[in-house]
Amino acid sequence: GAGVSQTPSNKVTEKGKYVELRCDPISGHTALYWYRQSLGQGPEFLIYFQGTGAADDSGLPNDRFFAVRPEGSVSTLKIQRTERGDSAVYLCASSLSLRASGGALNTGELFFGEGSRLTVL
Amino acid sequence: QKEVEQNSGPLSVPEGAIASLNCTYSDRGSQSFFWYRQYSGKSPELIMSIYSNGDKEDGRFTAQLNKASQYVSLLIRDSQPSDSATYLCAVKASGNTGKLIFGQGTTLQVKP
Repeated sequence: GAGVSQTPSNKVTEKGKYVELRCDPISGHTALYWYRQSLGQGPEFLIYFQGTGAADDSGLPNDRFFAVRPEGSVSTLKIQRTERGDSAVYLCASSLSLRASGGALNTGELFFGEGSRLTVL
Repeated sequence: QKEVEQNSGPLSVPEGAIASLNCTYSDRGSQSFFWYRQYSGKSPELIMSIYSNGDKEDGRFTAQLNKASQYVSLLIRDSQPSDSATYLCAVKASGNTGKLIFGQGTTLQVKP
């Protein structure tokens, strides 16, 4: 499809388990974002990639969370030793970047996937 | 103080009225501002972006920006029941980052 694809759409796991969430961005979008959203709250920034590198990971809550984007396209968000507080919808978004004199300029216009709902029991 | 603040609502307006949604932000260096709409159970979708002080109109939607007051608003004219959703204000952080910070959203209810 032409949009951002996220898998799985739903994941139920037990406390302490390891989880991987996958995101396939829109073709040609070099910027990729991960957010998480709890009920009644806005999306909370986790990390964003420009190409293969993590350009800003300041939102990752602790070292149990890690994300990779090895070939500059698909990204995986990895959560170790899951806790009940990790339960949320994890949203992936991609964005077009423009070439600028200082490097890539992110437009900030994000296209979101449908999200992966994580439930930690 | 939250980085991006919105009144959570709900804001209830009758069909055909003007809905006014407001947002304040703390990062004085921010230059890019966005409004996203999120229907219940769905993901956010971009409806407006604004980068300069003043008004920007797109159909029934008008975004307003006042950088001196650190204030962004969204006006929806001739509100329709299909406009009922949560509206998220987002601000691109200043500096060499593409980080986008969202407010908690305002829930709009348009009553027929």
